[in-house]
Amino acid sequence: DTGVSQDPRHKITKRGQNVTFRCDPISEHNRLYWYRQTLGQGPEFLTYFQNEAQLEKSRLLSDRFSAERPKGSFSTLEIQRTEQGDSAMYLCASSPTTYEQYFGPGTRLTVT
Amino acid sequence: GEDVEQSLFLSVREGDSSVINCTYTDSSSTYLYWYKQEPGAGLQLLTYIFSNMDMKQDQRLTVLLNKKDKHLSLRIADTQTGDSAIYFCAESILDTGRRALTFGSGTRLQVQP
Repeated sequence: DTGVSQDPRHKITKRGQNVTFRCDPISEHNRLYWYRQTLGQGPEFLTYFQNEAQLEKSRLLSDRFSAERPKGSFSTLEIQRTEQGDSAMYLCASSPTTYEQYFGPGTRLTVT
Repeated sequence: GEDVEQSLFLSVREGDSSVINCTYTDSSSTYLYWYKQEPGAGLQLLTYIFSNMDMKQDQRLTVLLNKKDKHLSLRIADTQTGDSAIYFCAESILDTGRRALTFGSGTRLQVQP
């Protein structure tokens, strides 16, 4: 299977700790997206990369959030000083074009 | 602004057709998507349609687009228990240059045997 992969699948952390998630897109997809999904809601856009350039960031992406895609392949999303409100599913998607986006299985974050 | 709305819940019997509805923001240049999400999983892209099309069919799935009413529907023929999931409608407005998808809150489809 060569779909989008995310690691870890689940993360439990204490409030105030830093966490980092990894996304590996489908090979040769140069577009990569991060979304956040809370219970009972659809995903909400966080940020978008084309190759290694971060081209768009949502207002949801506070100063505690940072995302990188250093060589235009995998990406990381770091949350510093986690808060209980950060508990959510973090989804990564990749795309070969402007149109369709293919999602990974997500990382479920629980902040206690 | 972008706003995608869906009904919350649909229950059908196995073998019947399911019709899931969505309304979206008016735009002359929009891609509209249907995604499926099973419990604890990511989103699976089912199909997508450009706003200059009226219909798209792919095996058991039929997408109908009513541009006048800004209404999108997904019909699943011969619904099976494996179709039970949450279905999300999403929109990407090309005019704004944004690449992000805007999702509805999802419709939970329950298929009764």
